[in-house]
Amino acid sequence: GAGVSQSPSNKVTEKGKDVELRCDPISGHTALYWYRQRLGQGLEFLIYFQGNSAPDKSGLPSDRFSAERTGESVSTLTIQRTQQEDSAVYLCASSSTNEQYFGPGTRLTVT
Amino acid sequence: LAKTTQPISMDSYEGQEVNITCSHNNIATNDYITWYQQFPSQGPRFIIQGYKTKVTNEVASLFIPADRKSSTLSLPRVSLSDTAVYYCLVGVRYGGATNKLIFGTGTLLAVQP
Repeated sequence: GAGVSQSPSNKVTEKGKDVELRCDPISGHTALYWYRQRLGQGLEFLIYFQGNSAPDKSGLPSDRFSAERTGESVSTLTIQRTQQEDSAVYLCASSSTNEQYFGPGTRLTVT
Repeated sequence: LAKTTQPISMDSYEGQEVNITCSHNNIATNDYITWYQQFPSQGPRFIIQGYKTKVTNEVASLFIPADRKSSTLSLPRVSLSDTAVYYCLVGVRYGGATNKLIFGTGTLLAVQP
């Protein structure tokens, strides 16, 4: 079956512009997570969705970051007024049990 | 969530057994131990999870001593394709208020021919 998909796979944007990253979870998975991974580092948790509510937003680094989820389906992570330090791979994962299934990530480069 | 400590890197040769040990001194009673594998340009992939003693699946074994303050991931007869970063994570099992994963920097395993 289809895994978690993310789009775009790569995004280059100019500093100050807004970007929107998309995640399509595995069908039927109620939980969805966003993580950020800087070069050579482990993943940083950003936000967790259970259905379309977000009980844990503790990892969002600033108010420039926001995320939405439609029902138990697609999620979008929006970064407003991008900064160079936002450059990273943004990973999405979904789960229905103990295991989280990760997508391939979106590589964001802010120039 | 408990902090984990693992070696930054390890080297091995094809066909050898590799053991990666992770320390988690502050593990809580409800915490499980989970290992993920990450190849370059891919998201992490679940390998194995356990609570105590030993767990084995088709990919690896996980050894957890009685005090649960450490765990060892054992990969039998590694091949070149096992070259990856391996992350040890400690946290509550699904069903808690949140199941976010706290990743450290992981262990880069380099398998040579």
